[in-house]
Amino acid sequence: QPVLTQPSSHSASSGASVRLTCMLSSGFSVGDFWIRWYQQNPGNPPRYLLYYHTDFNKGQGSGVPSRFSGSNDASANAGILHISGLQPEDEADYYCGTWHSKSKSWVFGGGTKLTVL
Amino acid sequence: QVTLRESGPALLKPTQTLTLTCTLSGLSLSTGGLCVSWIRQSPGKALEWLARIDWDDDEYYSTTLKTRLTISKDTSKNQVFLTVTDMDPADSATYYCARTLLAGGTGYPFFDIWGQGTIVTVSS
Repeated sequence: QPVLTQPSSHSASSGASVRLTCMLSSGFSVGDFWIRWYQQNPGNPPRYLLYYHTDFNKGQGSGVPSRFSGSNDASANAGILHISGLQPEDEADYYCGTWHSKSKSWVFGGGTKLTVL
Repeated sequence: QVTLRESGPALLKPTQTLTLTCTLSGLSLSTGGLCVSWIRQSPGKALEWLARIDWDDDEYYSTTLKTRLTISKDTSKNQVFLTVTDMDPADSATYYCARTLLAGGTGYPFFDIWGQGTIVTVSS
């Protein structure tokens, strides 16, 4: 099954835009997967944000602001979570994940701790 | 309002078996297309998916832990259970259950509503 690698931390200023990456391991192509993103604040369960497969196959979680969006970077073999207009409440851990149909198992990335300066 | 609530022992000794219960409110386990998953998170660590059970009793397990896991359900009580055998201090974590939906088109699962989690500590 694939390994999803996320940077352990990222920081950006309030109001800025950020790009959080979720890289798939060798042998797996990001274009073959539906990448889901979750946000987790300390002491709380994760919250479902969105998924991205292609520009025509993507979706937002219920109540998730449009300033959260997804994409793929084929050259990096990575799923991307974009957050625009960073707000202090966006400071959280962000996890990517996907279902691997061949092994019939779900895989999470290691998570990125986002700090809003 | 859909809620999930995890319950189970807070403290176990090494080698003991853990049994957790996920009680669903606002939805029925007998509903077609409804699945429930268990996910855990060790302190300061990443999320780790453990298992999933579907409305039609299909079961799916983490490839690394499947020999130690059993997921089951009692539809009449609207409860899902997870047993983990041979518990070790490394299994100390917050255990979450989550409503799992199957995406239209692919049938691939995702977790849209999570319980608050229950903390399990394994120590002698």
